[in-house]
Amino acid sequence: NAGVTQTPKFRILKIGQSMTLQCTQDMNHNYMYWYRQDPGMGLKLIYYSVGAGITDKGEVPNGYNVSRSTTEDFPLRLELAAPSQTSVYFCASREGHPSSYEQYFGPGTRLTVT
Amino acid sequence: GENVEQHPSTLSVQEGDSAVIKCTYSDSASNYFPWYKQELGKRPQLIIDIRSNVGEKKDQRIAVTLNKTAKHFSLHITETQPEDSAVYFCAAAPTSGTYKYIFGTGTRLKVLA
Repeated sequence: NAGVTQTPKFRILKIGQSMTLQCTQDMNHNYMYWYRQDPGMGLKLIYYSVGAGITDKGEVPNGYNVSRSTTEDFPLRLELAAPSQTSVYFCASREGHPSSYEQYFGPGTRLTVT
Repeated sequence: GENVEQHPSTLSVQEGDSAVIKCTYSDSASNYFPWYKQELGKRPQLIIDIRSNVGEKKDQRIAVTLNKTAKHFSLHITETQPEDSAVYFCAAAPTSGTYKYIFGTGTRLKVLA
């Protein structure tokens, strides 16, 4: 199993540009999450999904959009990049089984908006 | 809204000493409390977790204690080693409904050789 994979690893965007951060998991997990981690800070939840076709907002959803058309993929879209979106973005997944709560994280995408 | 407070933000200990990191949560629906270790430039990795029906859990040099009445939980690392140096995050999550995790702001632990 590759686990949770994210692409790209690094990206520099100009203000106003758009991009999609890709996240794929091969563990057949129902739940998927997008977090951002600003320097020296904790993880803030952007969006999450409890299964294909179902998404919901987290703590900091403004400026982002997501979709979940398959169990495996959970892309995060930035439409009009702003400097405030400079951060490291982590995707995570977990099983839907009620006794399994561990989240598995991807390696992250480091995004700089200038 | 829900939040998790974590203290201290930085902690330096001598190799071989113990380290304690404390978290307080606000959401009474939280039932699951994981601790993650994040090395520089790496992803967070789960090191230990506890559920609300348990007061303490231990795994070799690492232990977590939970006081659900006071909404406190703590990470204890004994016999610290230089490779324990990292940032540690606590989190709190409900085990039904939204399953959203709320993370603390992290503790940078430095183990001095």
